[in-house]
Amino acid sequence: AQSVAQPEDQVNVAEGNPLTVKCTYSVSGNPYLFWYVQYPNRGLQFLLKYITGDNLVKGSYGFEAEFNKSQTSFHLKKPSALVSDSALYFCAVSFGGSQGNLIFGKGTKLSVKP
Amino acid sequence: EAQVTQNPRYLITVTGKKLTVTCSQNMNHEYMSWYRQDPGLGLRQIYYSMNVEVTDKGDVPEGYKVSRKEKRNFPLILESPSPNQTSLYFCASSLSSWGSDTQYFGPGTRLTVL
Repeated sequence: AQSVAQPEDQVNVAEGNPLTVKCTYSVSGNPYLFWYVQYPNRGLQFLLKYITGDNLVKGSYGFEAEFNKSQTSFHLKKPSALVSDSALYFCAVSFGGSQGNLIFGKGTKLSVKP
Repeated sequence: EAQVTQNPRYLITVTGKKLTVTCSQNMNHEYMSWYRQDPGLGLRQIYYSMNVEVTDKGDVPEGYKVSRKEKRNFPLILESPSPNQTSLYFCASSLSSWGSDTQYFGPGTRLTVL
């Protein structure tokens, strides 16, 4: 079965430190991988996606993610965290023939303290 | 501004009272879908539509109906709501149903069924 795992319910980092939010996936075939962010009382905002090509993907607000096929991972990273990055982050996977269904992880709450 | 809109944003109702949540997109997208978000479960797809008059069930369709009479609108109908449908609902749209297309989400509708 296709699935996405976000092993950490919450990640705490200090402002200015690098941050990593982890994501692993299990799909048959080639995956398309996405990261979305949800701020309080807001909808999901698209951050970045991996389709093919360069394993390092750069997205909005200084975020990037690295696709690792051998480890079936797609971790979200940022070199220097901001307090305003505090939010709920979702990893999602799709694939050819999925009929548009995005399979989401359970979400990771990122808390950045000053 | 390109966007997906949903109404209402907040709704409190009682068991059995029919309700409709509207969704509209102004991006001329062919694909639209509905998700529900529950704590610890991430987002799960309820229904989707690949084009006008073409709809199909997602992962959790029980208790919901949809229609797609116009390209821009995709309302979600709960004919007899029950408390287990208390959730946060998101409408999303994308250019097509191909898995690599980015889905853009509305602001969400928080539904409480008493």
